[in-house]
Amino acid sequence: DAMVIQNPRYQVTQFGKPVTLSCSQTLNHNVMYWYQQKSSQAPKLLFHYYDKDFNNEADTPDNFQSRRPNTSFCFLDIRSPGLGDAAMYLCATSRDWASGLYEQYFGPGTRLTVT
Amino acid sequence: AQSVSQHNHHVILSEAASLELGCNYSYGGTVNLFWYVQYPGQHLQLLLKYFSGDPLVKGIKGFEAEFIKSKFSFNLRKPSVQWSDTAEYFCAVIGNSGYSTLTFGKGTMLLVSP
Repeated sequence: DAMVIQNPRYQVTQFGKPVTLSCSQTLNHNVMYWYQQKSSQAPKLLFHYYDKDFNNEADTPDNFQSRRPNTSFCFLDIRSPGLGDAAMYLCATSRDWASGLYEQYFGPGTRLTVT
Repeated sequence: AQSVSQHNHHVILSEAASLELGCNYSYGGTVNLFWYVQYPGQHLQLLLKYFSGDPLVKGIKGFEAEFIKSKFSFNLRKPSVQWSDTAEYFCAVIGNSGYSTLTFGKGTMLLVSP
């Protein structure tokens, strides 16, 4: 089945040690998103790629970066994780942007623990 | 800035009970509205969506939602819940013109007891 895949499902990193989370999609969608979801909170958009164009949300910390080397893959890099970055990170895709007309498909998420 | 408010954080029902989960949004323009569901251990998936037309929309698994523009609401309903409906439910909104991003509510955890 076509889907959004995230690896790993669980990631433990040390305070200040860079970490990379991975997302891949078989849907051939133009747009890929990264969301952060903390416990009992709503998913919060960090940034998205429309094809190769990167769009950062205004309140996303500089500590978070992203790369999209090709249509299928997108990475979330946390340069110096702090304890406050412990969360579930969700990757999503949509066929196009067009002001929300296209449904977003979500991956299972990566739960990040910072020790 | 747009925002979404879900009225209940936790709801507990017995099987066959009727369900209504409240969702209100704040946005200065025309919106598209969604309900997503996350079953235990699974990813977020779309339950139903409203873009335009009939304000009563039907989704998968017997769920429906009604968009009431005057109340800025998009409540989710199901006449008779099943144990398998145990999940977390998220309401989300996005503006349908210009640059807008999907804004989620905090979610409602529904527990259905057999």
